[in-house]
Amino acid sequence: EAQVTQNPRYLITVTGKKLTVTCSQNMNHEYMSWYRQDPGLGLRQIYYSMNVEVTDKGDVPEGYKVSRKEKRNFPLILESPSPNQTSLYFCASSSPSLNQPQHFGDGTRLSIL
Amino acid sequence: GIQVEQSPPDLILQEGANSTLRCNFSDSVNNLQWFHQNPWGQLINLFYIPSGTKQNGRLSATTVATERYSLLYISSSQTTDSGVYFCAVERNQGGKLIFGQGTELSVKP
Repeated sequence: EAQVTQNPRYLITVTGKKLTVTCSQNMNHEYMSWYRQDPGLGLRQIYYSMNVEVTDKGDVPEGYKVSRKEKRNFPLILESPSPNQTSLYFCASSSPSLNQPQHFGDGTRLSIL
Repeated sequence: GIQVEQSPPDLILQEGANSTLRCNFSDSVNNLQWFHQNPWGQLINLFYIPSGTKQNGRLSATTVATERYSLLYISSSQTTDSGVYFCAVERNQGGKLIFGQGTELSVKP
């Protein structure tokens, strides 16, 4: 089954404690992205990757890091989380071929206390 | 950048009613998708529809790319249709989707 898998689904942690949210896709997609969703602000792109070892900033990259060492994986790293990073996070993947929708993971709810 | 506007922002329906949700976008796009966000927060992909018309059960969607809008039709609504419906577009930016603010639908029994 084609899917994008995020882990964990839920996490409550404290300010400053480094965390990683993993994302894996099994569709051999070149493109992967991270979004965050906040009330009143909608979904905004954090980082994206167009292929292995190619990453770039989205609209709200501050406080986040990403890496793309393998095509299937695109982890989101919060080196020193702060309360303003409390949010619902989504990973997505797609192929640059025409007529291909983007596939989203189930989301990760992060609470930074 | 591209602006995506959805209307109405909120909608309350009685079970069994029909509805039309609208998405306007400000520039040409190569991808348009409709999503339903369920109460658990999951984004369910409803349609990939950069142009034309598609139907899936009680749902259908039409995108008129030349006029820069898309419509999502929900017929014979059910309580399980409740949630937020998002329209999102992409314009050749490495997979970056621009989301509208969503339409929050509540279907009452």
